[in-house]
Amino acid sequence: AQKVTQAQTEISVVEKEDVTLDCVYETRDTTYYLFWYKQPPSGELVFLIRRNSFDEQNEISGRYSWNFQKSTSSFNFTITASQVVDSAVYFCALSEAWINTDKLIFGTGTRLQVFP
Amino acid sequence: SQTIHQWPATLVQPVGSPLSLECTVEGTSNPNLYWYRQAAGRGLQLLFYSVGIGQISSEVPQNLSASRPQDRQFILSSKKLLLSDSGFYLCAWSREGKYEQYFGPGTRLTVT
Repeated sequence: AQKVTQAQTEISVVEKEDVTLDCVYETRDTTYYLFWYKQPPSGELVFLIRRNSFDEQNEISGRYSWNFQKSTSSFNFTITASQVVDSAVYFCALSEAWINTDKLIFGTGTRLQVFP
Repeated sequence: SQTIHQWPATLVQPVGSPLSLECTVEGTSNPNLYWYRQAAGRGLQLLFYSVGIGQISSEVPQNLSASRPQDRQFILSSKKLLLSDSGFYLCAWSREGKYEQYFGPGTRLTVT
């Protein structure tokens, strides 16, 4: 069965601290995709990144970086030098390569609060 | 560029009343469309998805239904709302063959 676990329910940091959000997934498929979404207080989910199961290369985008490790079934997200605007709920998600459907399985989310 | 709209933004409805939430996508054709519900403080639950006009798949049997009368229009309905239907409803779209989904602004529904 497919499953995404975000064990950290809530994290609080002070501005400029680095923070890592954990994501562990379960799947039997060899082809799958992993995602991170950000949900700010306004409610709309914002797509951040997609990684496929064949590409374990870590990725950096500005203050954001992602560490994908198939050996531990993890896809962790690090925010460097956090800012108050980073305060949001962050969701990790998994998608398997279904024909004609792209169903996402979401974790329960991690609420990040960044204090000034 | 593509945009996704949802309305209304907020809705307060009494128990037993009908529901109709609308979602439209602009700037793309033949998108896959999705309805999710997010209960307060919880994750997202996929309710329905559609790969084409008139094609609806249900993930969770309940008193909600969905329809896709046009290529870029997705409607979530109920004949009689329950208290448990309260939540934040999000519509999303994706391109066929592309796995990331893009979400609308959501509708916050409170059933009283």
